[in-house]
Amino acid sequence: QVQLQESGPGLVKPSQTLSLTCTVSGGSISSGGYYWSWIRQHPGKGLEWIGYIYYSGSTYYNPSLKSRVTISVDTSKNQFSLKLSSVTAADTAVYYCARLGEGYYYLDYWGQGTLVTVSS
Amino acid sequence: QSALTQPASVSGSPGQSITISCTGTSSDVGGYNYVSWYQQHPGKAPKLMIYEVSNRPSGVPDRFSGSKSGNTASLTISGLQAEDEADYYCSSYTSSSPCLFGGGTKLTVL
Repeated sequence: QVQLQESGPGLVKPSQTLSLTCTVSGGSISSGGYYWSWIRQHPGKGLEWIGYIYYSGSTYYNPSLKSRVTISVDTSKNQFSLKLSSVTAADTAVYYCARLGEGYYYLDYWGQGTLVTVSS
Repeated sequence: QSALTQPASVSGSPGQSITISCTGTSSDVGGYNYVSWYQQHPGKAPKLMIYEVSNRPSGVPDRFSGSKSGNTASLTISGLQAEDEADYYCSSYTSSSPCLFGGGTKLTVL
């Protein structure tokens, strides 16, 4: 059973960089076949897809966030990470990591989510 | 890119059937059979309920079914149960993005 777990600071100051890591267990990122994704959910709102990374390092980002987002992967630790720069209060959200199937495009495994608040 | 369109809320009594619609365009819902549905209870992560328009993952009750006609996909829950009360989100592959979500629908079981 694949499991994903987000980790990182729950509080980030405005203008700084939000950094989160997702640790995958029960499966290997380097085996391929999946896009490792980040999704966020503003308080009381809907889901917003941020982007994904493949084990090879290739990425795809939501155009609305592309200028501020970097997703990286560390296959040796079976982890992938999200960095979102120049954050504002509008980036306050629950951030989820999830697995997206290559070629079939559904998110079959999700982390529990982590709330990140942007505030001074 | 605008979110797929879902009704903000639907409701039904136990035992009844309800349908949640998800409307897009020919560049997303209408153009691909990569529509999925997610159930989210308060404070929990979304859970995959339907993939590729009408397929159920193992463990999802057969009360949940999906379909698509043109640019609109639908999730139907039959024999409504109290535990089905949750938020539901559709998602579709699009010509410019691998994942576009709907705005979400709050299901209330009366």
